[in-house]
Amino acid sequence: GQQVMQIPQYQHVQEGEDFTTYCNSSTTLSNIQWYKQRPGGHPVFLIQLVKSGEVKKQKRLTFQFGEAKKNSSLHITATQTTDVGTYFCAVSGAGSYQLTFGKGTKLSVIP
Amino acid sequence: SAVISQKPSRDICQRGTSLTIQCQVDSQVTMMFWYRQQPGQSLTLIATANQGSEATYESGFVIDKFPISRPNLTFSTLTVSNMSPEDSSIYLCSVESGSYEQYFGPGTRLTVT
Repeated sequence: GQQVMQIPQYQHVQEGEDFTTYCNSSTTLSNIQWYKQRPGGHPVFLIQLVKSGEVKKQKRLTFQFGEAKKNSSLHITATQTTDVGTYFCAVSGAGSYQLTFGKGTKLSVIP
Repeated sequence: SAVISQKPSRDICQRGTSLTIQCQVDSQVTMMFWYRQQPGQSLTLIATANQGSEATYESGFVIDKFPISRPNLTFSTLTVSNMSPEDSSIYLCSVESGSYEQYFGPGTRLTVT
């Protein structure tokens, strides 16, 4: 099945600093999804990217899908304490509904 | 988005016993999934449960250990059988929205002693 590598594993930032997490695949992806899991919570869907070079924004969050559809990033501008949690990318094969999750990036925000 | 509930929310069980986890959705959905998430780790897909057909298990998971029922379009159960401490984990169900994204239940935290 699809494999995806996510880095970094952990990130500690001062409140107000930016944050980026990356997902990389050795094969072309049909789509990529991003989820956020707050401490003690369950994963919550953020966005799905499908098109090559796609960029989507949600307030302070910017999601990108690489031109070759082999990598993706999630960038948070001016982090806040509410951004704390683990961010996962997840991928599926073409036409498949089964998701393979990256290992996640755990974000800590120091007030 | 679908609203999903799971029962129990947590349990402590003795090794060798079995636990059945229930997943209820507030709307009819075709595809439901069961995941395992060990503390601080990522999610691992156990199986896909479609109504009216047998569940499809991922590599490393077998029906004898994790039997699944899907009696209708709003409900599913996952049983963790003959438990050992290695089964201690969080078990999550999810549903597919119709656009490939998934919505997750709150999870069941299982501790096996």
